[in-house]
Amino acid sequence: DQQVKQNSPSLSVQEGRISILNCDYTNSMFDYFLWYKKYPAEGPTFLISISSIKDKNEDGRFTVFLNKSAKHLSLHIVPSQPGDSAVYFCAATNSGGSNYKLTFGKGTLLTVNP
Amino acid sequence: DTEVTQTPKHLVMGMTNKKSLKCEQHMGHRAMYWYKQKAKKPPELMFVYSYEKLSINESVPSRFSPECPNSSLLNLHLHALQPEDSALYLCASSQGGGFFNYGYTFGSGTRLTVV
Repeated sequence: DQQVKQNSPSLSVQEGRISILNCDYTNSMFDYFLWYKKYPAEGPTFLISISSIKDKNEDGRFTVFLNKSAKHLSLHIVPSQPGDSAVYFCAATNSGGSNYKLTFGKGTLLTVNP
Repeated sequence: DTEVTQTPKHLVMGMTNKKSLKCEQHMGHRAMYWYKQKAKKPPELMFVYSYEKLSINESVPSRFSPECPNSSLLNLHLHALQPEDSALYLCASSQGGGFFNYGYTFGSGTRLTVV
């Protein structure tokens, strides 16, 4: 049973346009959400996070939106750059737990075309 | 130092071999993790160490044996693995104590091939 779902395996966007990556979760205990970026042959790199007490968090070109009632979050990248091409993983956790476990989605491969 | 260092980067081992994966961080993080990632799949948690004590074992077979000698080091001892254990093994660390503002810091991983 996948508790974190990224239903789009891939996304292709033109340079300069907006990239929108989506993520859905089923576990209502999740209250902290993170996005990671992964290049081939490297470990995932933390990108941005959001707590369930917020509905938006912004960091430069990256904005994460959280819709708790829909159990849905999205990552917006504006403007998209070719260097953003990577696999993006959505992850979720229950920050009140003592085990710090992250549950990951399957990832979305973003390709930004020049 | 804001990195998690994993060695070796690549490892090929036979099913009767014993080998170890190593992970090191000097960020003062008190939680350390082993994740396993197969191709086109998300990272899957194997073990969590919190303050040098094993706090989670996600029902991992005993042929994988974790060890945390001190707060900066995390090892994964491998013995009698199967070909299906071939994967990217990722180590990560975090501040622990519920500090998730900056997420985990992952290492680059060890690409393990069992022949």
